[in-house]
Amino acid sequence: SQTIHQWPATLVQPVGSPLSLECTVEGTSNPNLYWYRQAAGRGLQLLFYSVGIGQISSEVPQNLSASRPQDRQFILSSKKLLLSDSGFYLCAWSWAGAVITEAFFGQGTRLTVV
Amino acid sequence: GENVEQHPSTLSVQEGDSAVIKCTYSDSASNYFPWYKQELGKGPQLIIDIRSNVGEKKDQRIAVTLNKTAKHFSLHITETQPEDSAVYFCAASDSGYALNFGKGTSLLVTP
Repeated sequence: SQTIHQWPATLVQPVGSPLSLECTVEGTSNPNLYWYRQAAGRGLQLLFYSVGIGQISSEVPQNLSASRPQDRQFILSSKKLLLSDSGFYLCAWSWAGAVITEAFFGQGTRLTVV
Repeated sequence: GENVEQHPSTLSVQEGDSAVIKCTYSDSASNYFPWYKQELGKGPQLIIDIRSNVGEKKDQRIAVTLNKTAKHFSLHITETQPEDSAVYFCAASDSGYALNFGKGTSLLVTP
């Protein structure tokens, strides 16, 4: 069976500090990978998605970047955090292919920038 | 790009009553419409989905209807139970790789 791991669960970081959130998927190959951010009252905003190693698409301009160094590893980073980066970050995966299918979400990381 | 509107933002029903959440989408090319349930502090989980070649789908107490002409789809929960209390999200795909989500509905089922 497939599983998705996302860590840490919670994180408090000072403004201007770097960020690295990691997500790994087990039990499947070449999944589509996603980073979403959830802010209060604003739903799920797609930040990045990847259909393969080294392939990253950004949906919104922002202070964050993403990388996919391995097939089942997706990393969300920032060089200098802003207060506005606070939120609930969710990693997700879906089956590879052209037809969109169900997205499976991790448990999320609650990031508070202080 | 796709724009998904979801209503209401909050919904309170009594146990045993029905709950209906409605979503509209903008891109007529969208062909996949999932619904997710998110419990506090957890990631969303798929509860039901529908594709554009189907008008209605039912799974026990949960049903989804799709009106392609009007570009709206709805989630129906019958015989609600306290454990149905959660945030529900609709989403639509414009045939790309990602889902576009509505802003969510916070459902509270009171005993």
